[in-house]
Amino acid sequence: QAVVTQEPSLTVSPGGTVTLTCDSSTGAVTSGHYPYWFQQKPGQAPRTLIYDTTNKHSWTPARFSGSLLGGKAALTLSGAQPEDEAEYYCLLSYGGTRVFGGGTKLTVL
Amino acid sequence: QVQLQESGPGLVKPSETLSLTCTVSGASISSYYWSWIRQPAGMGLEYIGRMHTTGSTNYNPSLKSRVTMSINTSKNQFSLKLRSLTAADTAVYYCARDDYGDRSFDLWGRGTLVTVSS
Repeated sequence: QAVVTQEPSLTVSPGGTVTLTCDSSTGAVTSGHYPYWFQQKPGQAPRTLIYDTTNKHSWTPARFSGSLLGGKAALTLSGAQPEDEAEYYCLLSYGGTRVFGGGTKLTVL
Repeated sequence: QVQLQESGPGLVKPSETLSLTCTVSGASISSYYWSWIRQPAGMGLEYIGRMHTTGSTNYNPSLKSRVTMSINTSKNQFSLKLRSLTAADTAVYYCARDDYGDRSFDLWGRGTLVTVSS
């Protein structure tokens, strides 16, 4: 089974910009992996921010955006807010199944 | 408002079979994929698999030999059975809608904690 890798932790200053990435052990991440990005806060279920690489749900704050960057899926947060401090997970699709990344703990400090 | 609610035993013995149900309210379960995801305490998310109301399934290869999913459209429920439990199966189990486009992971249950212990 493929392994999906994310940065274990990142720190961003309030108002700053940070990019989280999602890498696949099978090679470059493409739109065919239908990358998802989820935000999870302690004690809560995950919440989907991005689906199919770049698409946002109606509840996704405008400051979050998804893309492909250098063979990886990427989640960029522009103008970080204190409430963005959370764990972020990516998910990639491989044919019929899906694999989560290990998660990135994002600190806003 | 659409809601998903997981239900099942909070404690299961090693080697036994876990049975969980996700009840969908406020919308029909029909014509979508529905999935199970789990998360051990303090750890990341693990995709268990998904099932469509037509019966089509996709399981995580590492769990496939122990997993069975089913759907009951008349009750608007879908279920997970996980066999031969060990302590490593202790986790919070989530159900979610897992279809395509904006119907993908747009709906989640709150999760239910399952502990495998004698």
